[in-house]
Amino acid sequence: EAAVTQSPRNKVTVTGGNVTLSCRQTNSHNYMYWYRQDTGHGLRLIHYSYGAGNLQIGDVPDGYKATRTTQEDFFLLLELASPSQTSLYFCASSGGAAETLYFGSGTRLTVL
Amino acid sequence: QQQVRQSPQSLTVWEGETAILNCSYEDSTFNYFPWYQQFPGEGPALLISISSVSDKKEDGRFTIFFNKREKKLSLHITDSQPGDSATYFCAAVTGANTGKLTFGHGTILRVHP
Repeated sequence: EAAVTQSPRNKVTVTGGNVTLSCRQTNSHNYMYWYRQDTGHGLRLIHYSYGAGNLQIGDVPDGYKATRTTQEDFFLLLELASPSQTSLYFCASSGGAAETLYFGSGTRLTVL
Repeated sequence: QQQVRQSPQSLTVWEGETAILNCSYEDSTFNYFPWYQQFPGEGPALLISISSVSDKKEDGRFTIFFNKREKKLSLHITDSQPGDSATYFCAAVTGANTGKLTFGHGTILRVHP
């Protein structure tokens, strides 16, 4: 069973704050993804990566940076957090382009 | 522009009934359609998938029907159980091998015992 671990599980910050969400997968998957989930919008892709050092822009990238430091680790950075970024964030990994996505348990971020 | 649409937004059925969840898409290059199931407090997990070369895929009580000409899919859950209560996402992948999965907004299914 693929394992994707996200941290922290919950995070509260203030407007303008600096936040880093972490994701680690232990299945040697090439692809990793960051999604946000909001009521009425479903899952929206923020950034994704094909491998270490690679970064691809998703559908809602504004206000977010991401970095893939190793094959296992993918980080999402909010350098100037805004209330509109209050959301449930999911990391996922997959072995290939059309292969199964394995999701983490999510990080709930609140920006006050 | 929403490329993958799902309906209804929410659906309530009684235990034992068949639940039908609908999905449609815009992009004709989409050729792989997974459905993900999400329980509260958890991440989504793959339930069943179909490629555009097939018109039907069955896995136990779950069946996908696919109409390529109309760009429509439906997920049928027969003999619905309370444990099937979850949010169901239809998704689509383009054949361009980008790795980018586009999700619909989801259908919330409630199965009453």
